[in-house]
Amino acid sequence: KNEVEQSPQNLTAQEGEFITINCSYSVGISALHWLQQHPGGGIVSLFMLSSGKKKHGRLIATINIQEKHSSLHITASHPRDSAVYICAVNQSSGGTSYGKLTFGQGTILTVHP
Amino acid sequence: EADIYQTPRYLVIGTGKKITLECSQTMGHDKMYWYQQDPGMELHLIHYSYGVNSTEKGDLSSESTVSRIRTEHFPLTLESARPSHTSQYLCASSRLSPYNEQFFGPGTRLTVL
Repeated sequence: KNEVEQSPQNLTAQEGEFITINCSYSVGISALHWLQQHPGGGIVSLFMLSSGKKKHGRLIATINIQEKHSSLHITASHPRDSAVYICAVNQSSGGTSYGKLTFGQGTILTVHP
Repeated sequence: EADIYQTPRYLVIGTGKKITLECSQTMGHDKMYWYQQDPGMELHLIHYSYGVNSTEKGDLSSESTVSRIRTEHFPLTLESARPSHTSQYLCASSRLSPYNEQFFGPGTRLTVL
């Protein structure tokens, strides 16, 4: 079992729909990241979370430390949101952050017009 | 916008050739990373550095080597390329703090014939 699991692996939506991508992890973390990777490979950091909730435009990310779970929501989805969304965590142990990221396998999102 | 650059973006080369993938960042970040990503798969850390003259192997074994002579520059070298090295290579950088958002370069897509 991977230390970071995402669901679903593939997601298809119609333009305007509300989208949720989930991430569960099984290790202690100091922070959780949501990344976006477009075709062609470039990766953009969307959010870095250690608690609570963050919002940027139509994107909202939440994290529940006790349940070891995070969600990425996209409101009013648009075809340009089509990309791979990756959850990654900074593992920590005993208060020491290793700094390295452990990645989920990614969720492929396709938004149709 | 992240100021991290990779060259070349695409490279097709024959077996046995020596190659160097370049990565530079202008953000003054101490930490730098190299990831390998096969199509449709998650990223795997192959090398990282905490600063000048620091290099460490990542979670995925790699025949490549890296050097960090200057803060801004973190090149990756393959002494003798093989078809099994065909992959995308992504460079990233971050500050030294435990809660470190990583900034990614555009990637180099390497094909070894």
